[in-house]
Amino acid sequence: KAGVTQTPRYLIKTRGQQVTLSCSPISGHRSVSWYQQTPGQGLQFLFEYFSETQRNKGNFPGRFSGRQFSNSRSEMNVSTLELGDSALYLCAPRRTSGRAAGDTGELFFGEGSRLTVL
Amino acid sequence: SQQGEEDPQALSIQEGENATMNCSYKTSINNLQWYRQNSGRGLVHLILIRSNEREKHSGRLRVTLDTSKKSSSLLITASRAADTASYFCATDFRATYNTDKLIFGTGTRLQVFP
Repeated sequence: KAGVTQTPRYLIKTRGQQVTLSCSPISGHRSVSWYQQTPGQGLQFLFEYFSETQRNKGNFPGRFSGRQFSNSRSEMNVSTLELGDSALYLCAPRRTSGRAAGDTGELFFGEGSRLTVL
Repeated sequence: SQQGEEDPQALSIQEGENATMNCSYKTSINNLQWYRQNSGRGLVHLILIRSNEREKHSGRLRVTLDTSKKSSSLLITASRAADTASYFCATDFRATYNTDKLIFGTGTRLQVFP
C-alpha cells in the first residue's frame, strides 16, 4: 500500500519568507501529527489534527500553523522564517478511532521535508 | 522539556553483539513506543508496550517497561550492520481527552561495525 508522502523533500528559503509543506497520509489515517527535528532540540511536537480540527498543539510560536483537509491530507505553514527554523519537518499520520486519550497507536512517518533557511 | 531521555547517547558495537538502550520518562503513560530512524529519513515504528505490560518481544527486539521507575529498555540481539540507526522512545500522556500526543526522547545513535 502507498506510504506517507511529504512534499517538497528539500527546499531552501531566506529569512522572512514563508513556506508551506504538504503531507498525504495513508488512506484511513484520520489523525496527522507534525514534528520538527533539529540536531539541538531533537524531535519536537508541533501539532496534531483529527477530522480537520487541531486537537493538540506544541510549544511553538504562532508563525507555525497547520490544517487538515477532508481527505485527511495536511499542510503546515511557517511564516516569517527565521534561521532557527531550519529543520527536518516530519508528518506522522495515525490510524485512530478518535476515542479518548489512552489509545495512542503507532505513527507512520513520512520521509520529511528538509527546510534550510538562509 | 522532552518527556523521554535516553542513554547512552551513542553506542558502538560489533556485529553479533547485543545492544541495549534505555529510556526514562517523567509522567504517567498509557504506552511507550520505540522507533528507529536511518540518517535523515523518517521514523519507523518498532514496537509498542502498554503500561500494564512488563516485557514484549518482536523478532530480535526485546522491550521492557518498569512503570515504578518510569523507565524502559530496548535490547537488540545479535546486531547487524543494518541495525545502524538512531533509536527513539516515545511516550504519550495519561491525561484528559485530546492530549494523546506522543513525545519523543533524545535518541540513541547506534553504530554496528561489520
